[in-house]
Amino acid sequence: EAGVTQFPSHSVIEKGQTVTLRCDPISGHDNLYWYRRVMGKEIKFLLHFVKESKQDESGMPNNRFLAERTGGTYSTLKVQPAELEDSGVYFCASSQDSGGFYNEQFFGPGTRLTVL
Amino acid sequence: KQEVTQIPAALSVPEGENLVLNCSFTDSAIYNLQWFRQDPGKGLTSLLLIQSSQREQTSGRLNASLDKSSGRSTLYIAASQPGDSATYLCAVSTDRGSTLGRLYFGRGTQLTVWP
Repeated sequence: EAGVTQFPSHSVIEKGQTVTLRCDPISGHDNLYWYRRVMGKEIKFLLHFVKESKQDESGMPNNRFLAERTGGTYSTLKVQPAELEDSGVYFCASSQDSGGFYNEQFFGPGTRLTVL
Repeated sequence: KQEVTQIPAALSVPEGENLVLNCSFTDSAIYNLQWFRQDPGKGLTSLLLIQSSQREQTSGRLNASLDKSSGRSTLYIAASQPGDSATYLCAVSTDRGSTLGRLYFGRGTQLTVWP
């Protein structure tokens, strides 16, 4: 069974440009999460999808970040326009939803974003 | 607001030693606790998950315990090997309303096991 995949693995862009990150969760996992780790800090939650609905987006830093999950399958996270402080590693995770119980989260390899 | 602390930040030991990594959290209203391993430049690999109603979980040479009331968890690694070298992360999920399921992470313990 394929794990969580993320694309691209690395992205280097200039300040003001737009970047879109993609996450493909494990097949059948209704829960999809985005997290971010900036240099020297702990991994922090960004948002949580249940199928195509945003369950919790309280971790999104500002309105330059837009996440979508069309059809409840893969998800995209767009940063527009990118700022220097957006640099970091963006992780995606997924988990099964077993009757309301939140289970083990499986993480992708991350996308390393560098904004110059 | 949930805060997760991991001690020590770094640990360097010779092969064969038994290790204890510590994790503490400020809000005891957790749903579960996960221990992860992260190798340099790689993603997170889930090692163990403990539900809030459980006291411990074991997988091979790893044993994780949970004391929810005191806000503590430990990861015990028996007979450490150089291949255990990695960063170990502790994360708790909340048991509160709409934020149910989100993970709060510590900064990790960077472990080096030398031959």
